Amino acid sequence: DQQVKQNSPSLSVQEGRISILNCDYTNSMFDYFLWYKKYPAEGPTFLISISSIKDKNEDGRFTVFLNKSAKHLSLHIVPSQPGDSAVYFCAASGNEKLTFGTGTRLTIIP
Amino acid sequence: KAGVTQTPRYLIKTRGQQVTLSCSPISGHRSVSWYQQTPGQGLQFLFEYFSETQRNKGNFPGRFSGRQFSNSRSEMNVSTLELGDSALYLCASRSRNYGYTFGSGTRLTVV
Repeated sequence: DQQVKQNSPSLSVQEGRISILNCDYTNSMFDYFLWYKKYPAEGPTFLISISSIKDKNEDGRFTVFLNKSAKHLSLHIVPSQPGDSAVYFCAASGNEKLTFGTGTRLTIIP
Repeated sequence: KAGVTQTPRYLIKTRGQQVTLSCSPISGHRSVSWYQQTPGQGLQFLFEYFSETQRNKGNFPGRFSGRQFSNSRSEMNVSTLELGDSALYLCASRSRNYGYTFGSGTRLTVV
């Protein structure tokens, strides 16, 4: 039972353009959502988070949007840079644990 | 502030053996959780400890166990290793404001 889903395994975006990564969840008890960036053989690096009581959070080039009625969140990166190429995981927090999506590999094309 | 430290970074074990992995959380963080990452299953929650007590456990067999010490350092143990246990094991320490910080992980290979 995949409670957090990232339906796009990969995404390619031109440098300078906007990258939009999507995530859907099923459990309405999740109270906090996070995005992590990950390189192979390393731990996930925290990017940005959003509480379930908000619909938007912004931090520099990263913005996370939460649509609670649709149980959907998205991460916008603008402008995209070559260093953004990595695997991105969304995660939902609840019951003292994180439930992760399966990840989206983002490739920024120079 | 030092980050989350996991040791060892790499480990090769034989089927049937047991293994112990260690995690030192960020100073002051009392919650430590463990995750397994495999290509097929992604990042899966193993268990979470807070003040030496296990508060939550994921859907893993009893061969996977853990503990937390009074200084918040945590260990996880896997007994009777199987080939399918080969994975990157990640530890995360958590602050009160929901911030999870991950270590670099231990890459376990079972042969």
